[in-house]
Amino acid sequence: KAGVTQTPRYLIKTRGQQVTLSCSPISGHRSVSWYQQTPGQGLQFLFEYFSETQRNKGNFPGRFSGRQFSNSRSEMNVSTLELGDSALYLCASSFTWNTEAFFGQGTRLTVV
Amino acid sequence: AQSVTQLDSQVPVFEEAPVELRCNYSSSVSVYLFWYVQYPNQGLQLLLKYLSGSTLVKGINGFEAEFNKSQTSFHLRKPSVHISDTAEYFCAVSEGSGNTGKLIFGQGTTLQVKP
Repeated sequence: KAGVTQTPRYLIKTRGQQVTLSCSPISGHRSVSWYQQTPGQGLQFLFEYFSETQRNKGNFPGRFSGRQFSNSRSEMNVSTLELGDSALYLCASSFTWNTEAFFGQGTRLTVV
Repeated sequence: AQSVTQLDSQVPVFEEAPVELRCNYSSSVSVYLFWYVQYPNQGLQLLLKYLSGSTLVKGINGFEAEFNKSQTSFHLRKPSVHISDTAEYFCAVSEGSGNTGKLIFGQGTTLQVKP
């Protein structure tokens, strides 16, 4: 059974650009969550989706957005990138929102 | 609001020695508790979880944790560590109502196992 797949693994962007990160959950999982990991702030919750609906949102500016498709795949978008957006972005999938979450390997975004 | 405090940022220990990584949480509602491990350049792997029932929870790789409601703690233990256990460990909490899968993480504890 394939795990959670995040693409790309590494990304370098320039300040002011926008970026889209992708997450393919484990087959059969309908819930996807996103987290940002930085050395200073640690792991912080971004969004939670279930069946294409956002169920929960973390305390991030509106530049951070996400969506989930009918096949449960999810994308997150960050517009007008800032240096502080450099982080490891982790996606987690679960069967439903209150069952065990399995994490992908993450996308490391570097903003220069 | 919920919060998680991992009391040690780094824990150095010699191989084959026992180890305890400490975690305290704060919540006004019932919670589910988790421990995750992260190896360099990897995502998070679930070690163990407490949802309900027995307060002693056994996980993978020989780890176990004990839920102590009165002390609001969920410390992780291993009786004998290996070099391969060197990694970052995260304690996390989610609402016990099951209305959300949102995880609140502690700041992490780096376990350094020395030969």
